[in-house]
Amino acid sequence: ETGVTQTPRHLVMGMTNKKSLKCEQHLGHNAMYWYKQSAKKPLELMFVYSLEERVENNSVPSRFSPECPNSSHLFLHLHTLQPEDSALYLCASSQDLTANYGYTFGSGTRLTVV
Amino acid sequence: AQSVTQPDIHITVSEGASLELRCNYSYGATPYLFWYVQSPGQGLQLLLKYFSGDTLVQGIKGFEAEFKRSQSSFNLRKPSVHWSDAAEYFCAVGAGNNRKLIWGLGTSLGVNP
Repeated sequence: ETGVTQTPRHLVMGMTNKKSLKCEQHLGHNAMYWYKQSAKKPLELMFVYSLEERVENNSVPSRFSPECPNSSHLFLHLHTLQPEDSALYLCASSQDLTANYGYTFGSGTRLTVV
Repeated sequence: AQSVTQPDIHITVSEGASLELRCNYSYGATPYLFWYVQSPGQGLQLLLKYFSGDTLVQGIKGFEAEFKRSQSSFNLRKPSVHWSDAAEYFCAVGAGNNRKLIWGLGTSLGVNP
């Protein structure tokens, strides 16, 4: 399988639940990203990982917890979310920490918090 | 402050018509510029990018974009639109040695048969 794969595609969770989003890339890229996409807002960069090391955390609430066990896998652990956290969560990867070669995005996880 | 503006929230064109999507940026140095497309239910796909050199860049799917420094613009064009081009289009500028992308809000393109 090639490209960036995200699972699940859709997720509905209650505010007290704990769930995880998974992202996998088989492109040999060294950097991976979590983005949040909400209606009428620019894409929001949440976390950046380079070779499994977190290099950026853009003031994201602690109810979002990333994990990067290796350069091919990225997780976003969710707990005690709020309704305003409902959005499309996109994973992306790139060859290095620059955008020189472009980002490859997954299809996203549509999250609904009820 | 660095920013990207896509003035048109939604555009509808007829199939076979030409298309131009506008993008204006605010950035102090020479910008890295990108256009991405997002089809319904999908992630974003890179259409084209400009770093330096020829100000007219060609991309995938028959798209092109022209960098105009004097107008701080990087408009996306296609001579003949296909129904499959209906999607959301995002302009972005690379900042911080191209380690961070500043995104526009996107333009939604509808195509009439």
